[in-house]
Amino acid sequence: QVTLRESGPALVKPTQTLTLTCSFSGFSLNTSGMCVNWIRQPPGKALEWLARIDWDDDKYYSTSLETRLTISKDTSNNQVVLTMTNMDPVDTATYYCARTGTISGVVTGWFDPWGQGILVTVSS
Amino acid sequence: EIVMTQSPATLSVSPGERATLSCRASQSVSSNLAWYQQKPGQAPRLLIYDASTRATGIPARFSGSGSATEFTLTISSLQSEDFAVYFCQHYIKWPPWTFGQGTKVEIK
Repeated sequence: QVTLRESGPALVKPTQTLTLTCSFSGFSLNTSGMCVNWIRQPPGKALEWLARIDWDDDKYYSTSLETRLTISKDTSNNQVVLTMTNMDPVDTATYYCARTGTISGVVTGWFDPWGQGILVTVSS
Repeated sequence: EIVMTQSPATLSVSPGERATLSCRASQSVSSNLAWYQQKPGQAPRLLIYDASTRATGIPARFSGSGSATEFTLTISSLQSEDFAVYFCQHYIKWPPWTFGQGTKVEIK
């Protein structure tokens, strides 16, 4: 069974750096084609894809946020870390991690499954 | 960036009725389209991928169709547990991988 779980602070101050950890089980980021994504959702709003890291350490970022985002992986501990610098109240959202899997070694593209999410509030 | 537009924003349907949700892409995404269901306080759940393939465990009343820029999610006979928000998402090769703004299916 594949599971993912997000962890990190519930509250950060403006200008601070947010660090979130996605801990997963049931798959390995050493497996060809496996990827982990970060996606966020402001309260009552739509989903926004933020970043993805692949089994081969390729990394992809949202065009609008790439200067503020860094994604990394700790394969031995089955964790993926996202940092977002210079946090602002508009960054208040539930942050999810989600797997992108593989079929016959080819990256699929959709997100399944998702973690439960973590609500991060940016406020002084 | 590909813009995904969903319509309507809200759909009022009676239990047992059919619901039809639309998703339009600003350029062709071929069949690289997924649908998700999200209930209040929960993470999204994958329903459909490759535009028309049901994910594991998804009931047959959910079906997807379309290609290129026009897609449809149909729920053939709405059950009480189907009232939720539905999002579409494209996944062509290069990012960003974008979502629609969602359609809320509510009880009429």
